[in-house]
Amino acid sequence: DAKTTQPTSMDCAEGRAANLPCNHSTISGNEYVYWYRQIHSQGPQYIIHGLKNNETNEMASLIITEDRKSSTLILPHATLRDTAVYYCIVRSENNQGGKLIFGQGTELSVKP
Amino acid sequence: EPEVTQTPSHQVTQMGQEVILRCVPISNHLYFYWYRQILGQKVEFLVSFYNNEISEKSEIFDDQFSVERPDGSNFTLKIRSTKLEDSAMYFCASSERRAQGYTFGSGTRLTVV
Repeated sequence: DAKTTQPTSMDCAEGRAANLPCNHSTISGNEYVYWYRQIHSQGPQYIIHGLKNNETNEMASLIITEDRKSSTLILPHATLRDTAVYYCIVRSENNQGGKLIFGQGTELSVKP
Repeated sequence: EPEVTQTPSHQVTQMGQEVILRCVPISNHLYFYWYRQILGQKVEFLVSFYNNEISEKSEIFDDQFSVERPDGSNFTLKIRSTKLEDSAMYFCASSERRAQGYTFGSGTRLTVV
C-alpha cells in the first residue's frame, strides 16, 4: 500500500476550520484515500474516504488534488471534541483483506 | 447509531495463560477485523475475516493467535499462551462491504503480568 506523509501536530482555534494535509505521492489508480481519527486511545473512528472527486459528509470534507498526490481533510467548524489524532490512509480496493495501515497521524489540538 | 461492542473492557492475565477477547460486530456487517495498539505506538493490523475464514493476516498474527465466529453474532480473538509483549489495546472492527470505512469497537485493554 502507498505510504502517506502528514504533519506530526497542528493547532486550530475553536470555531475555525481545521485543514489537515496529507501527501500520498505514490498513490496508484485503484487506491482510495481514507481518513480516520482516534480520540485518546478510543477505537479509531471513520471520517470519510474518496477516490478522486471531492467528498463531503456530516463530519468533514475531503479535497483531493487533480493529480491525486495529496489531499486535505477539512473540519469546517472545529470544536474541542475534535481534538484527536487524524490518520490519512491509502488503501487499495484490490486489497484482499481490506486492511488499513496506520501511520503516526496528525495530532490536532483544538484550543479555546 | 449501531456499535461494535467489545468485552471485557480491561483484562489482566498471567503470562502463559490463554485469553479470549470478544466482539459483537454490527449485525448486517460481513467483514471483520482485529487490530492492536501497544501503548504509545501505532495501530497495527492483525487479521481480517470474511465468509468464515481468514482473508489476510499480518506477521504479528502467528500460531498463538486464532479467530472464530462461533455463532453468527460473536467474533473472538484467542491468544493461546500470552506473553508480556501481548499487552496492548485490542480493537475489533466490522464493515458491511470491503470497500467501505469500517466501525471500530472501543477496545479491550489486555495487560499481561
